[in-house]
This record gives sequence, structure tokens and C-alpha cells, in this order.
Amino acid sequence: EAGVTQSPTHLIKTRGQQATLRCSPISGHTSVYWYQQALGLGLQFLLWYDEGEERNRGNFPPRFSGRQFPNYSSELNVNALELEDSALYLCASSLAGIVTDTQYFGPGTRLTVL
Amino acid sequence: AQTVTQSQPEMSVQEAETVTLSCTYDTSESNYYLFWYKQPPSRQMILVIRQEAYKQQNATENRFSVNFQKAAKSFSLKISDSQLGDTAMYFCAFKPLNYGGSQGNLIFGKGTKLSVKP
Repeated sequence: EAGVTQSPTHLIKTRGQQATLRCSPISGHTSVYWYQQALGLGLQFLLWYDEGEERNRGNFPPRFSGRQFPNYSSELNVNALELEDSALYLCASSLAGIVTDTQYFGPGTRLTVL
Repeated sequence: AQTVTQSQPEMSVQEAETVTLSCTYDTSESNYYLFWYKQPPSRQMILVIRQEAYKQQNATENRFSVNFQKAAKSFSLKISDSQLGDTAMYFCAFKPLNYGGSQGNLIFGKGTKLSVKP
């Protein structure tokens, strides 16, 4: 069974540009979570999508947004990139948004903002 | 606010020995899940073990076991017979079982970097 996949592996952008990151969950999983792993800051929760709806978001500005498609894949958009947005962005999926389901992570997208 | 603290930024252990990684958490919730995730240098985050707070029995998965002390809000991970492949960042994570704003997402500690030496 294929795990969570993310693309691209690496993304290099300049300040002010927009970045789009993509995630495909494990087959059968309907919930997708996005986390930012910045150096020295650990993993911070960004967004949670379930059944196409945004269910919760972390303490990030509105320029971080995303969506979930009917096939449950998801994309994360970061507008007006800033240098501090440089980080590893991890996507995770679970069977459902109900709290008992374990989250499984993808390999991440390394975003570098120059 | 719910927080997870891992007080050991780095640890090392000799191959075949046993090591314990510490984790404490702060919450007013009575029902929650706790997890240990491993992130090897290749960066894919892998679930190591999970513990339901309502279960008194400590979870085990092969060489990995936890010491869950609910009253002390402590959740340590013991790795027995350490192997070179255990070298990784280990993250402790907490997930409350409430229906408030934090439903769904994991709350992570900052991680412990474990090096297994030959």
C-alpha cells in the first residue's frame, strides 16, 4: 500500500512569490494535515482538511491557505513568501478526522525562500 | 495551553544497549492519545508507538516500550537493544480527545536527537 506522497521534494522561491505544495493521502484516508517544521521551532500545526472542508488551522497568517480535492488530495498555498517561511512542510493523513485515528506522514517538501 | 516538553535535545547510546527518552506534557484534558514518532536523517516521519490515556497498560512494540505515568503527565520511550538504524530525531506528540479547536492536530515536543554508536 502506498504511503503519503508529497510533491515537489524541493522548492526554491524568492521572497514575495507564491508556493504550491501538494499531498496525496494514503488510499482510504479522508483527513489531511499540514505541519511546518522550521529549524529550531519543531513541528507546528498549519491546517487540517477533512471531507473537503477546512476543519482547523494553526496560528499562522492567512497567506497560508489550502484546499482538499474530491479525491482527498490536498494542496498548501503560501502567498507573499517571506524568508522565515523556509522550512520542511510535512503532510499527514488519517482515516478520518475523529481523534482516534493515527496520522501517517509523508516525506515532506523542503521550501527554501531566497 | 497544551504543551509537550522533551528535555533532552541530544542523546547517544552504544549499540545493543538500552536508552530512555523523556517526555512530559501539560493538559487539563482527561482523555487523549500520546505518540512517539521517529524521523531518521532521510526525514520521513514514522510512527513508533502510541498510547491511549485511558489504558493503564504501557504500550510495547518489539524493542520499543513506553512508561506512561498519567498523574505525573510523563510519557517516556525505552529503546532496548539499540541498533544503528535507531539513529534519528524522536518526537513525542499529544492529541487531545476533545471537540474544541485543537481537535485533530498533534502537538509536538521539540524532539530528541538520538545517536546510536557502534
